[in-house]
Amino acid sequence: AQSVTQPDIHITVSEGASLELRCNYSYGATPYLFWYVQSPGQGLQLLLKYFSGDTLVQGIKGFEAEFKRSQSSFNLRKPSVHWSDAAEYFCAVGLSGGYNKLIFGAGTRLAVHP
Amino acid sequence: DAGVTQSPTHLIKTRGQQVTLRCSPKSGHDTVSWYQQALGQGPQFIFQYYEEEERQRGNFPDRFSGHQFPNYSSELNVNALLLGDSALYLCASSRSAVNEQFFGPGTRLTVL
Repeated sequence: AQSVTQPDIHITVSEGASLELRCNYSYGATPYLFWYVQSPGQGLQLLLKYFSGDTLVQGIKGFEAEFKRSQSSFNLRKPSVHWSDAAEYFCAVGLSGGYNKLIFGAGTRLAVHP
Repeated sequence: DAGVTQSPTHLIKTRGQQVTLRCSPKSGHDTVSWYQQALGQGPQFIFQYYEEEERQRGNFPDRFSGHQFPNYSSELNVNALLLGDSALYLCASSRSAVNEQFFGPGTRLTVL
């Protein structure tokens, strides 16, 4: 069965420090991969997506992610974190075959210290 | 361009009652998906509607049902509410051939 694992439930970083959020997936075919961000009481905003091609993808708000097929990973990175990045981050797998059901990880809550 | 909208924002019900949640998709989108997000968890896929039919369904009981209207808007109905149905219900819209979903702000349902 398809699944997404985000190993880190909570991460705390200092403002200006670099960030990496981990995501591993289990899926037999080439997946569509997404990172979403959710601020408290809000819906989900798409940060970036990977469908095919270049394995390093750029997103909004200075985020990037790298797809590594050999490791079944799609880690999210940001070189310098801002206090406004504090939120919950979700990795998701979209299944191929014409239907775009998303399977989400449990999320990583990011706290940013000044 | 309005994004995905959902109503109501918050809802309080008691066990055994029925609830209807509503969603209007982003302009140009014809597919609506519903997700349940329990506190501290990631969203779980409930079902997806396309051309007014349920196209795909997640692991949810028949108490959860839906509808899509000709204007592509959608409703989620939950019958015989349980305490465990308390969650944030998210609607997402997309174009059928495009694997990218846009989410609404959600409806917070509390069952007492």
